[in-house]
Amino acid sequence: EDQVTQSPEALRLQEGESSSLNCSYTVSGLRGLFWYRQDPGKGPEFLFTLYSAGEEKEKERLKATLTKKESFLHITAPKPEDSATYLCAVRADRGSTLGRLYFGRGTQLTVWP
Amino acid sequence: GEEVAQTPKHLVRGEGQKAKLYCAPIKGHSYVFWYQQVLKNEFKFLISFQNENVFDETGMPKERFSAKCLPNSPCSLEIQATKLEDSAVYFCASSQTTPNYGYTFGSGTRLTVV
Repeated sequence: EDQVTQSPEALRLQEGESSSLNCSYTVSGLRGLFWYRQDPGKGPEFLFTLYSAGEEKEKERLKATLTKKESFLHITAPKPEDSATYLCAVRADRGSTLGRLYFGRGTQLTVWP
Repeated sequence: GEEVAQTPKHLVRGEGQKAKLYCAPIKGHSYVFWYQQVLKNEFKFLISFQNENVFDETGMPKERFSAKCLPNSPCSLEIQATKLEDSAVYFCASSQTTPNYGYTFGSGTRLTVV
């Protein structure tokens, strides 16, 4: 069974204190790993897609990396506005499940001044 | 427009009543997905469409849930005879092609069944 596990469930950082969020997955035939940001009362906002082990992508203070079993979302010198829930999802196309994403339960990040 | 528009934002129904949710995908996007988000951020896939055709409905409890995407109309998700456990936020997402670049999600409809 495909599984996506995120850790930690919650993370509190002081402004400027860098850290990493983890997403481990067990899925056959990975067709992409996605990172989303979700603010309270809103839909997930797309951040990155990673396709193959060794791939890295960056956007402002965020950097996502991928290995064969897990992905990390590194946050460098976070600011309070980075506070949100970060969701990881994987896509494993098998015939009729094209495009379906399997989500982890997210890491709730709080950055305090 | 460049956003996925979901209506209504909030919906309250008595147990056993019908609920209907709407989603207008981004113009030009041919794939539409419905997800249910319950407590603790658990996302459950419900159904996907390629244009007006159902692509994958294996996540949907068909005895009470139905969905449509008709040309020139918003897509809809209907729940007959709602139950307390249907209380959740329902998200619609659309994608231009097979979603290699991630979907664009709407802001969701919060359904509360009382």
